[in-house]
Amino acid sequence: AQKVTQAQTEISVVEKEDVTLDCVYETRDTTYYLFWYKQPPSGELVFLIRRNSFDEQNEISGRYSWNFQKSTSSFNFTITASQVVDSAVYFCALSGNDYKLSFGAGTTVTVRA
Amino acid sequence: DAGVIQSPRHEVTEMGQEVTLRCKPISGHNSLFWYRQTMMRGLELLIYFNNNVPIDDSGMPEDRFSAKMPNASFSTLKIQPSEPRDSAVYFCASSLVPQEETQYFGPGTRLLVL
Repeated sequence: AQKVTQAQTEISVVEKEDVTLDCVYETRDTTYYLFWYKQPPSGELVFLIRRNSFDEQNEISGRYSWNFQKSTSSFNFTITASQVVDSAVYFCALSGNDYKLSFGAGTTVTVRA
Repeated sequence: DAGVIQSPRHEVTEMGQEVTLRCKPISGHNSLFWYRQTMMRGLELLIYFNNNVPIDDSGMPEDRFSAKMPNASFSTLKIQPSEPRDSAVYFCASSLVPQEETQYFGPGTRLLVL
C-alpha cells in the first residue's frame, strides 16, 4: 500500500518569504512516480511536477524547486520569494505499479501581503 | 488544447433526486478517473476506466453510484438517489498511460445535496 504524509497542515508567510512544503512517502514498489498539485481557492487541481523514482535530480522552475531524496523517502517543494498568488492548497501524490494516485492530506499555504 | 471538461460546475439538488455528472477527457488520453474530494476524507478515487472499460470500481461508495464511459470522449457519474452525505467536489481526470503518465484534472463539479 502507498502512503503520502504531508505533516504540515497550514503554513502562513509574508510575501517574499520562502516556504518549504514537506512530503514523505511510503511504497514497496521499486518504480514509482511522485507528483505535486496545486489547488487554488478557485478549486481546480493544477499539475505542477512529476518525478520518477529513478531520477533524483532536483528541479527548478521559476520560483518553484523540488528536492527528491530517495534515502529519506521525501519529495519536498520550495516556493522562493512567495507571492499572494501562491496561496493555495498543495498536494503531494504518489503512484506505483498500479494506476492509483495516492494523495497526501494537503498543506494550505497562505501568503500575506 | 482543451483540458478535461466537466459539467455542470455546480449542482444543487434535493435528497432523493438523481444527479448526473459529465466528463470529457483530453483527446487521445485512454485512461479516465473519477475522484471525490471532501474535507473529511480528502481526495479519494471512485472508479478508473482504461480504454472505456471500467477496471476498478472498488472506490464507489455504494450501489447508488454508477459510472459509464460509452466512448473515448465521454463519461458520466450518476448518483441515484442522492443523499446529503454525497455533497462533495467530484473531479474527473485523464491520462495517457495510467501508471506512468500525469493525471490531468478537470475543474470539478461542486455538488450540494439538500
